[in-house]
Amino acid sequence: DVKVTQSSRYLVKRTGEKVFLECVQDMDHENMFWYRQDPGLGLRLIYFSYDVKMKEKGDIPEGYSVSREKKERFSLILESASTNQTSMYLCASSLLGIEQYFGPGTRLTVT
Amino acid sequence: QQQVKQSPQSLIVQKGGISIINCAYENTAFDYFPWYQQFPGKGPALLIAIRPDVSEKKEGRFTISFNKSAKQFSLHIMDSQPGDSATYFCAAWLSGSARQLTFGSGTQLTVLP
Repeated sequence: DVKVTQSSRYLVKRTGEKVFLECVQDMDHENMFWYRQDPGLGLRLIYFSYDVKMKEKGDIPEGYSVSREKKERFSLILESASTNQTSMYLCASSLLGIEQYFGPGTRLTVT
Repeated sequence: QQQVKQSPQSLIVQKGGISIINCAYENTAFDYFPWYQQFPGKGPALLIAIRPDVSEKKEGRFTISFNKSAKQFSLHIMDSQPGDSATYFCAAWLSGSARQLTFGSGTQLTVLP
């Protein structure tokens, strides 16, 4: 089975802190994604990566950056956390195709 | 911007009833239309998908109906069960696009016992 793991299930950070969310997949997938999930807004794509060291902006990249130094690992960085970044963050990976495999999510609260 | 519009935002159905969730899209170049199911505390997982050259696809109690001319598709859950209570996302997939999937806004389904 494909497994996508995220470093934390719950995080509480203060405004202005730098936040790292880590995602690891074990299926040698080229493509990895970061989404945020908010009620009524669905899954919004923040950034994605189709290869090591490659990244592309999604629909809402402002305030975020990403890093992919190894194929299995994709990190989301909040350079200076703000309260409007309080959300559920979901990581996913895939080969070319319609199926993306999601991690369990990280619920981030910024106070 | 490519969009997929989903309704309703929430749905309450009695056990044994039919749950219907609707989606509409704009880009006629989309190649595939999957539905994802998300249980509380879990990430979404692929449930069922349909190609635009097919009008209907059925897998067990789950059926996708597709209307290409109207640019609409819907998920029907027959004989809905409390275990079907979850959030459902429609999506659209564009081949050759690195981002791959565009998701709808989600429908929270509650099936009452």
